[in-house]
Amino acid sequence: AQKVTQAQTEISVVEKEDVTLDCVYETRDTTYYLFWYKQPPSGELVFLIRRNSFDEQNEISGRYSWNFQKSTSSFNFTITASQVVDSAVYFCALTTTSGTYKYIFGTGTRLKVLA
Amino acid sequence: DTEVTQTPKHLVMGMTNKKSLKCEQHMGHRAMYWYKQKAKKPPELMFVYSYEKLSINESVPSRFSPECPNSSLLNLHLHALQPEDSALYLCASSQGEGWESYTFGSGTRLTVV
Repeated sequence: AQKVTQAQTEISVVEKEDVTLDCVYETRDTTYYLFWYKQPPSGELVFLIRRNSFDEQNEISGRYSWNFQKSTSSFNFTITASQVVDSAVYFCALTTTSGTYKYIFGTGTRLKVLA
Repeated sequence: DTEVTQTPKHLVMGMTNKKSLKCEQHMGHRAMYWYKQKAKKPPELMFVYSYEKLSINESVPSRFSPECPNSSLLNLHLHALQPEDSALYLCASSQGEGWESYTFGSGTRLTVV
């Protein structure tokens, strides 16, 4: 079975705090891809990052960083020095080489950054 | 142009109406998708078109009818909808199916009365 779990339903932080959004996935496939998308109140999902199962390097992009650990099946997302504009719902997603490459989304984490 | 454009942004329709949602992209993407998203839920896949052919139908009721007239355009025809069909309908596109990232439109907020 393939599954993505985002256990944090909602997180509130004060501006400039660091925050980590957790993502745990399950798959038996050896080749798979993990994604993070941001959904602001305007509605569209915005692509943030893709990682394949063979690349465990962590990545940093500005205030955003991602920690991919196959040993714990986790792909966590950290925002450093959060800003009000970071307020959104964040989805982690998985796609694999079996079947039809459909995205399996987590249930999302709503992040509220308070000024 | 790196956008997916969806029209209309909002739609209110009666249960006996027929309406259509439109989605357009000019990025040369060969796969296009319709998703349905209820409040506080993740998007649910409805249909996938690959190279203008329907490749996935996630057992969507026939009151939803997709159409892909060309590689840039995707429509979703709606007929005899139910109030529970009220949701945000998102269109997305990608270079191809599989492991690529998607570009999403901002969606159509549909209310069925």
